[in-house]
Amino acid sequence: GAGVSQSPSNKVTEKGKDVELRCDPISGHTALYWYRQSLGQGLEFLIYFQGNSAPDKSGLPSDRFSAERTGGSVSTLTIQRTQQEDSAVYLCASSPGVSGNQETQYFGPGTRLLVL
Amino acid sequence: GNSVTQMEGPVTLSEEAFLTINCTYTATGYPSLFWYVQYPGEGLQLLLKATKADDKGSNKGFEATYRKETTSFHLEKGSVQVSDSAVYFCALYDSSYGKLTFGQGTILTVHP
Repeated sequence: GAGVSQSPSNKVTEKGKDVELRCDPISGHTALYWYRQSLGQGLEFLIYFQGNSAPDKSGLPSDRFSAERTGGSVSTLTIQRTQQEDSAVYLCASSPGVSGNQETQYFGPGTRLLVL
Repeated sequence: GNSVTQMEGPVTLSEEAFLTINCTYTATGYPSLFWYVQYPGEGLQLLLKATKADDKGSNKGFEATYRKETTSFHLEKGSVQVSDSAVYFCALYDSSYGKLTFGQGTILTVHP
């Protein structure tokens, strides 16, 4: 079956612009996660959704970062007024959630963001 | 809080050599433990997992045993191949937090 998909695969933007990153989880997965992979910081947790609600927003690095999920499916991560330190690979993962195996997360290919 | 520490890399081996990548963790609860692999140009893939003490996870010739007494989950393979060249991440999942905590990753390069 289809795995987690993310778009765009690559994004180059200018400092100060806003960007939107999209994640389509595996069908039927109720839990969705965003992580960031950058040199020097490794893999960092950003935010977690169970259904459409986000019980844990603790990993968002600043108020320029926000995320939403609609219909219990697609999620969008928005970065406002991008800075060069936002350059990283943004990874999305999904898992079956509380009704199934919550702990095993399946990752998408990532969106590589470069802020010039 | 939770944390995962992996051995310093990169690791360079010849084909058919024995591989060990050390991983230790700190957790307040009883986490599940994972190894993920990232091949060049690809996303993270689950390699193996173990959900409780003394469990052994295995896949593609790789093995790791959940050792609660030493808080470790070392990855081993008896005979590596060039195709095993990748970045390997140890991770733990604590249901109290609902997220994965990753180690810093270990780059493995296998030469023919």
